[in-house]
Amino acid sequence: AQSVSQHNHHVILSEAASLELGCNYSYGGTVNLFWYVQYPGQHLQLLLKYFSGDPLVKGIKGFEAEFIKSKFSFNLRKPSVQWSDTAEYFCAVNANTGGFKTIFGAGTRLFVKA
Amino acid sequence: DAMVIQNPRYQVTQFGKPVTLSCSQTLNHNVMYWYQQKSSQAPKLLFHYYDKDFNNEADTPDNFQSRRPNTSFCFLDIRSPGLGDAAMYLCATSSGTGVATDTQYFGPGTRLTVL
Repeated sequence: AQSVSQHNHHVILSEAASLELGCNYSYGGTVNLFWYVQYPGQHLQLLLKYFSGDPLVKGIKGFEAEFIKSKFSFNLRKPSVQWSDTAEYFCAVNANTGGFKTIFGAGTRLFVKA
Repeated sequence: DAMVIQNPRYQVTQFGKPVTLSCSQTLNHNVMYWYQQKSSQAPKLLFHYYDKDFNNEADTPDNFQSRRPNTSFCFLDIRSPGLGDAAMYLCATSSGTGVATDTQYFGPGTRLTVL
């Protein structure tokens, strides 16, 4: 069965620090990969996604993620975080054979200190 | 703004008392999803509709049912809520055109408490 692992449940950073959130998935075939974000008091929304082409994907608010097929990973990065990046981040995977089923990770809560 | 709306935002029910959660969308999307999210866990897909075609996940308990009377509305019925059903219930939509590559658009969720 497919699964998604997010390595850190909680991350605390100071403003201007660099961010990398880990995401690994288990599925051997072609996958589509997503990062969703939930800001405090708001609903889940798409940050970025990868389904083909350049494995380095750029999203909103300066976020990027790199798909490394050999490592089954899709880590999220931002060179310099801001207080407003405080949120919960969810990695998600949809196998091309999975129809509309998307598997989510358990999320990483990021707190950025001003 | 086009959006996904869930009502109510908070629902308290008694053990065994049926409850219905509702979701509506103004995006005119073909696909509507219901997820269950327990504290510190991943959202778990319960079922989805592609238009009127209902797709139940194999491990979704029979206690959970859904209805989609039209494109805009989708309901989650919990026939006999147990204490273990207390969770956040998320509704989401997607266009359905990209299938596995579709972006999902989420509502704010309904937090269900079972007493």
